[in-house]
Amino acid sequence: RKEVEQDPGPFNVPEGATVAFNCTYSNSASQSFFWYRQDCRKEPKLLMSVYSSGNEDGRFTAQLNRASQYISLLIRDSKLSDSATYLCVVNRGTGNQFYFGTGTSLTVIP
Amino acid sequence: EAGVVQSPRYKIIEKKQPVAFWCNPISGHNTLYWYLQNLGQGPELLIRYENEEAVDDSQLPKDRFSAERLKGVDSTLKIQPAELGDSAVYLCASSQGQGRTYEQYFGPGTRLTVT
Repeated sequence: RKEVEQDPGPFNVPEGATVAFNCTYSNSASQSFFWYRQDCRKEPKLLMSVYSSGNEDGRFTAQLNRASQYISLLIRDSKLSDSATYLCVVNRGTGNQFYFGTGTSLTVIP
Repeated sequence: EAGVVQSPRYKIIEKKQPVAFWCNPISGHNTLYWYLQNLGQGPELLIRYENEEAVDDSQLPKDRFSAERLKGVDSTLKIQPAELGDSAVYLCASSQGQGRTYEQYFGPGTRLTVT
C-alpha cells in the first residue's frame, strides 16, 4: 500500500465553486502534514501546513482526521489562478522523511 | 532570502553519457533532499542528507547514481551512465528539520532528457 494516496482527478470546476480534495496516509505514526501546490513545469511550493486543530488561510481550509488517517483541503470561491496540481505530503516525524501523493489536478473554468 | 538554487535548469544528453546536477540549499537548512519526478507523479526521494551525512539513500540506484554534499552545504547528484529511463525532473529541496520547521522548500529543478 502506498504511504500517501490521492485521487488524481482531474477536477474541473467553474469559477466561484467550492472544491475539496482528500488524501489518505497509511502510517499512523505520521506526525506532520502539508499541502503543496505545483504549477505546470514548476517546482512544488508549500501551500499550507495542516495542524491537528485544522487551519484556514483565506479561501483555503485544511483539516486532519487522525482516526481515519486522512487530510483534506477545501478551496472556496475558486479562481482561475487556483488551477494547478495539489500534492498531499506526510512526514513520519521519526526523521525528515517526506512522502508525497501523486497529486490532484484542478482546473478552474471561466 | 534566496531560495534553493539548482543548475542547470535543462539538460539534454545522449544515453550512456554522464551528467551532474548541482544544488545550493537555503542558508541554515541542514537537511537536503534530492527527488526525481516523472510526469503525472509526485516527487520520489532519491537521497536525504543531514548536514554532510547521507541518512537515507535506499532509493538511490547506486550502480549509476551518486551524490555528495561536501561541507554540508552544496550538493551534487551524478548519473553515469545515463539511460533513457532517467529522463525526468530532478528536484532539490531543503528544510531546517526541527519541529514545525519540517517544511520543505524546493528548487526549480533540472529537466533531464536522455536521447
